Amino acid sequence: SAVISQKPSRDICQRGTSLTIQCQVDSQVTMMFWYRQQPGQSLTLIATANQGSEATYESGFVIDKFPISRPNLTFSTLTVSNMSPEDSSIYLCSVGSSGTDTQYFGPGTRLTVL
Amino acid sequence: RKEVEQDPGPFNVPEGATVAFNCTYSNSASQSFFWYRQDCRKEPKLLMSVYSSGNEDGRFTAQLNRASQYISLLIRDSKLSDSATYLCVSLYSSASKIIFGSGTRLSIRP
Repeated sequence: SAVISQKPSRDICQRGTSLTIQCQVDSQVTMMFWYRQQPGQSLTLIATANQGSEATYESGFVIDKFPISRPNLTFSTLTVSNMSPEDSSIYLCSVGSSGTDTQYFGPGTRLTVL
Repeated sequence: RKEVEQDPGPFNVPEGATVAFNCTYSNSASQSFFWYRQDCRKEPKLLMSVYSSGNEDGRFTAQLNRASQYISLLIRDSKLSDSATYLCVSLYSSASKIIFGSGTRLSIRP
């Protein structure tokens, strides 16, 4: 399976600021995804990061709040914009390859917004 | 109704016991199913895929019943290290739509 890293691993941010989370994979992957896991909850898909084009967002998530970049097949960023305490969560990237349905997750970024 | 539903537990069983979880899904277009394991404050890790014919990996057995739209996970001879949250996952549209269940917490006691 791919080795996935995320930076930062955790952060504490002030309300109204923005944080960009990076996801790096050690090999080229077709699919990259961003999830959110709020305290005590399961994972919710935010968007699919598409290489070379705009991300595909799930219902309830918009580009202005969660802009995503994917400049190549090994890297993606998720920005949490204009943060509020409700954005406190763990943000995880995951990767998958075409031809297989399996996804693997990065270690996550634990965000606390004060 | 949630697309993927699991009993949240917690299941608290003694070491060596057999424990089974069920998961139901509502979208008949779901194509693939998985069980993931998530330890406290860690990312989910793939435990096993679930096939219609049923599949076994050591002490773990997964079953899929498409007619009744449920997936099961059976853990035999449970170990202390099996304590975790088990997430049921359904996937359709060639990985463009992935739905996680809310997870079932399992605690194995000595």
